[in-house]
Amino acid sequence: NAGVTQTPKFQVLKTGQSMTLQCAQDMNHNSMYWYRQDPGMGLRLIYYSASEGTTDKGEVPNGYNVSRLNKREFSLRLESAAPSQTSVYFCATNGGTREQYFGPGTRLTVT
Amino acid sequence: GQSLEQPSEVTAVEGAIVQINCTYQTSGFYGLSWYQQHDGGAPTFLSYNALDGLEETGRFSSFLSRSDSYGYLLLQELQMKDSASYFCATETTGGFKTIFGAGTRLFVKA
Repeated sequence: NAGVTQTPKFQVLKTGQSMTLQCAQDMNHNSMYWYRQDPGMGLRLIYYSASEGTTDKGEVPNGYNVSRLNKREFSLRLESAAPSQTSVYFCATNGGTREQYFGPGTRLTVT
Repeated sequence: GQSLEQPSEVTAVEGAIVQINCTYQTSGFYGLSWYQQHDGGAPTFLSYNALDGLEETGRFSSFLSRSDSYGYLLLQELQMKDSASYFCATETTGGFKTIFGAGTRLFVKA
């Protein structure tokens, strides 16, 4: 029972490169979220998926796209990375209560 | 706009009690949650208040006053391992769009 897993753990990109961050959960939760956390700041919601087949923008969606592949998987894509997207990215899930379960995070650096 | 305000840092002594405050301004309030995050780690859920009053979970308690748009997290019998960042959070838009405060960094001294 792994909970919420994220890959990769670390990534370095050059400006303009693209990549996809993967998130998977085995908790059978309907809702999934992508956040970014910059140093000394709280988490900011990028996109969320209330249930399989639906996605919606959060607070800071520009420069990102998401795919809710199935109930277990929710991916985040950076089409053309920019230094401003250097951050720690967290995936989270929610099973109908207010408690969100977070993955370990992906530390992304864009040079 | 929608926002949550917390103090940036709090310092306390091991064994003491500390209170971390959170004031919020949101539309469509869905309750106040608290999360703990150790350096390099992921946030973990501590508590949730939907209604006014105090919720107690072991050494941690959380309070909410909807009329004052205010809540706090109370940590008792502080331990060194409580040194971490603490975030208040709430939801808008039908309960899905979560907004976090910037976090309060707690330093526990021996």
